[in-house]
Amino acid sequence: QKEVEQDPGPLSVPEGAIVSLNCTYSNSAFQYFMWYRQYSRKGPELLMYTYSSGNKEDGRFTAQVDKSSKYISLFIRDSQPSDSATYLCAMSVDYKLSFGAGTTVTVRA
Amino acid sequence: DVKVTQSSRYLVKRTGEKVFLECVQDMDHENMFWYRQDPGLGLRLIYFSYDVKMKEKGDIPEGYSVSREKKERFSLILESASTNQTSMYLCAIDTVYGYTFGSGTRLTVV
Repeated sequence: QKEVEQDPGPLSVPEGAIVSLNCTYSNSAFQYFMWYRQYSRKGPELLMYTYSSGNKEDGRFTAQVDKSSKYISLFIRDSQPSDSATYLCAMSVDYKLSFGAGTTVTVRA
Repeated sequence: DVKVTQSSRYLVKRTGEKVFLECVQDMDHENMFWYRQDPGLGLRLIYFSYDVKMKEKGDIPEGYSVSREKKERFSLILESASTNQTSMYLCAIDTVYGYTFGSGTRLTVV
């Protein structure tokens, strides 16, 4: 069993829809939780960073962590074609990250 | 913002060649990482370094080595390239609030 499980999709939504992405994990020692966005042929870029259970908002993005269920989510409101990318969840113990496989999202204009 | 530069975007090498991938940061962060990314497998850690001349194996170190002679530079070495090392290679640094990645090097071994 992988430490971090993420549905690879692909996910296709119309412009303006809410995008919902999820990851589950097995290692209860994970302390920090992140979401990265990766455009084609580019390196991942950090979108959201959190270390506690609950919700964190940044503009159209909301990260949700449920440590008791070992489950994290990312929501993108009012999705735009420019949000089309692969989204990777990641979590860490100390400074070492474990990544999900990534979910490819396409937002149709 | 910190910048992570990988020397090559695309590389094509022959089987058996020794390959060097370079990664340079423009700040003073201690922890640097090399990952490879393959479809369906996600990012897998090859090696990481937590200081000059210090290194530790990641999850898939076989066939690779690393060098960190200066704090800002972390090199990944493929001792004898093989076709199963065709992949996207990503360098990252730990900036406390998550990793910053380079743009990646897409290596093809023929």
